[in-house]
Amino acid sequence: QVQLAQSGAEVKKPGASVRVSCKASGYTFTGYYIHWVRQAPGQGLEWMGRINPNNDGKNSAQMLQGRVTMTIDTSISTAYMELSRLRSDDTAVYYCARQYYDSRGYYFDYWGQGTLITVSS
Amino acid sequence: QSVVTQPPSASGTPGQRVTISCSGSSSNIGSNTINWYQQLPGTAPKLLIYSNNQRPSGVTDRFSGSKSGTSASLAISGLQSEDEADYYCAAWDDSLNGPVFGGGTKLTVL
Repeated sequence: QVQLAQSGAEVKKPGASVRVSCKASGYTFTGYYIHWVRQAPGQGLEWMGRINPNNDGKNSAQMLQGRVTMTIDTSISTAYMELSRLRSDDTAVYYCARQYYDSRGYYFDYWGQGTLITVSS
Repeated sequence: QSVVTQPPSASGTPGQRVTISCSGSSSNIGSNTINWYQQLPGTAPKLLIYSNNQRPSGVTDRFSGSKSGTSASLAISGLQSEDEADYYCAAWDDSLNGPVFGGGTKLTVL
């Protein structure tokens, strides 16, 4: 069965960086994009970016460009998202999600359990 | 503020039919398929409807989706207490080169 297992919660100080991991299992890792989506407390879902494990192609939301770095380690079927220069409004639950794509369009068919990142001095 | 708009809340009584709307633009809903996600309290979102009106295996047929032009809607029939959750619509946005989510609708079963 497909699973996306994320790393645990972290508390960071403003200005620091954080890296969240997302380990995939149950499918061919290089066959599907991995997206990152975050959700601030009590707020909606915000897309951060995506990465193609097959060729390392990636793009991210404009508002995060320059602060978000997405990487892949295909040897262990794991995707990483690093967010730098953290601010208090980066406090959120961060999700990875697998993108399924066919001729009709795309959708997120599997999600990680989420990782709470708290930014506080 | 999301480029895709949903009502912040909706409600109904058990057994009732409820619809949740989602309004976008030509660069997202107007030119791409729409998906709906259900998020129960404290859990990750779950795919509910994909490609406008398709249900993943295991999703009850009480949930249905439709799309017309730059708008879409999710209908829930035979409302049950377990349907109380947040619902998000999402579509690819060609201008942003990424998916956009609606702001979410909190469904309350009275």
